[in-house]
Amino acid sequence: KAGVTQTPRYLIKTRGQQVTLSCSPISGHRSVSWYQQTPGQGLQFLFEYFSETQRNKGNFPGRFSGRQFSNSRSEMNVSTLELGDSALYLCASSVGGGWMSETQYFGPGTRLLVL
Amino acid sequence: KNEVEQSPQNLTAQEGEFITINCSYSVGISALHWLQQHPGGGIVSLFMLSSGKKKHGRLIATINIQEKHSSLHITASHPRDSAVYICAVQTGNQFYFGTGTSLTVIP
Repeated sequence: KAGVTQTPRYLIKTRGQQVTLSCSPISGHRSVSWYQQTPGQGLQFLFEYFSETQRNKGNFPGRFSGRQFSNSRSEMNVSTLELGDSALYLCASSVGGGWMSETQYFGPGTRLLVL
Repeated sequence: KNEVEQSPQNLTAQEGEFITINCSYSVGISALHWLQQHPGGGIVSLFMLSSGKKKHGRLIATINIQEKHSSLHITASHPRDSAVYICAVQTGNQFYFGTGTSLTVIP
């Protein structure tokens, strides 16, 4: 089976722009979660989707949003980019039970640089 | 206030040494994950624990729910074990991550 894929892998944007990142889960996986990783804050949970519904949400401003499609692919969007949004954005997929019930499979990440 | 604390932050070991990484948490959890992140960013989930001990190859993870503490042990360490090790917990609908332990194993 192919692993979790994320596109694009690298992205450079300027302040004020918006960005959309994509995550394709492992075939058969219905849960997708998103994370932000920065040197200062480490890994932080953004949100989790299951069957096109947001199941959990972390403490991020409303500029961060996401969605999941019927084929379980997920996108996250960041509007009005700030310098502090520069980070590695990771997604993970699982069959459907969520973090505490099953292994999560991570994608390689999208590295976003905001100038 | 960090809900999850890891120690040490950095660790350098000689190949073959026994390594222990610790994780303490302050919230009630139902399970804990240990993750491994190699340079370049890719993360691999090593263990998911809710009680007791799990072993996979040279890796052993233990958890004590009452003491809110988990340890990850690496026996006979190897340079390919060099990575950042992160523990993660969930409480309610929130997820918390440790800041990671950076391990370097020298040949």
